[in-house]
Amino acid sequence: EPEVTQTPSHQVTQMGQEVILRCVPISNHLYFYWYRQILGQKVEFLVSFYNNEISEKSEIFDDQFSVERPDGSNFTLKIRSTKLEDSAMYFCASSTLDRLNEQFFGPGTRLTVL
Amino acid sequence: SQQGEEDPQALSIQEGENATMNCSYKTSINNLQWYRQNSGRGLVHLILIRSNEREKHSGRLRVTLDTSKKSSSLLITASRAADTASYFCATVGSSNTGKLIFGQGTTLQVKP
Repeated sequence: EPEVTQTPSHQVTQMGQEVILRCVPISNHLYFYWYRQILGQKVEFLVSFYNNEISEKSEIFDDQFSVERPDGSNFTLKIRSTKLEDSAMYFCASSTLDRLNEQFFGPGTRLTVL
Repeated sequence: SQQGEEDPQALSIQEGENATMNCSYKTSINNLQWYRQNSGRGLVHLILIRSNEREKHSGRLRVTLDTSKKSSSLLITASRAADTASYFCATVGSSNTGKLIFGQGTTLQVKP
């Protein structure tokens, strides 16, 4: 069964450093998402992406964040200058265009900012 | 803002018992979904119920939706230790961009 994959599973970085979280969505999906979950809190929407453009972004997704689909298979989330409060699980998800609500989630990347 | 909120926040039951979790939301929806998350892992989609549906079954899962009360419930029958996880409801944002809005979740512990 096709699945969303994410790498790395765990990323440790120093405050102020740039990180890139990678995702490989399901191959026939055209809509991509990033969510995050701070430890013990609920899952929060960050951004949705379609046709090489951001469809919607949340207040969390400020200028420090960017997303990219550098090739036909990867979807990345970049945090330019990490802060302590960026420590969280980051989940990538994807969906077909006609079923935006039925999103398939990856296993997540645990980001720890020291 | 549209928001799903679950109760209880935590539930502990014995294997074989039924577990019921509730979710409330604030604005009109097209559908509501339930996800499961095992500790430290990703989200697994369990079931989606559309706004014109009142009840839906999937194996040992039963979901109800009451749009007049803006609430939904997830019932897991004959629970197993493997059902131990956090369960979240999620609703779709008002924009048509697939944005899911998750509740705080219910942590279910099923004791063997």
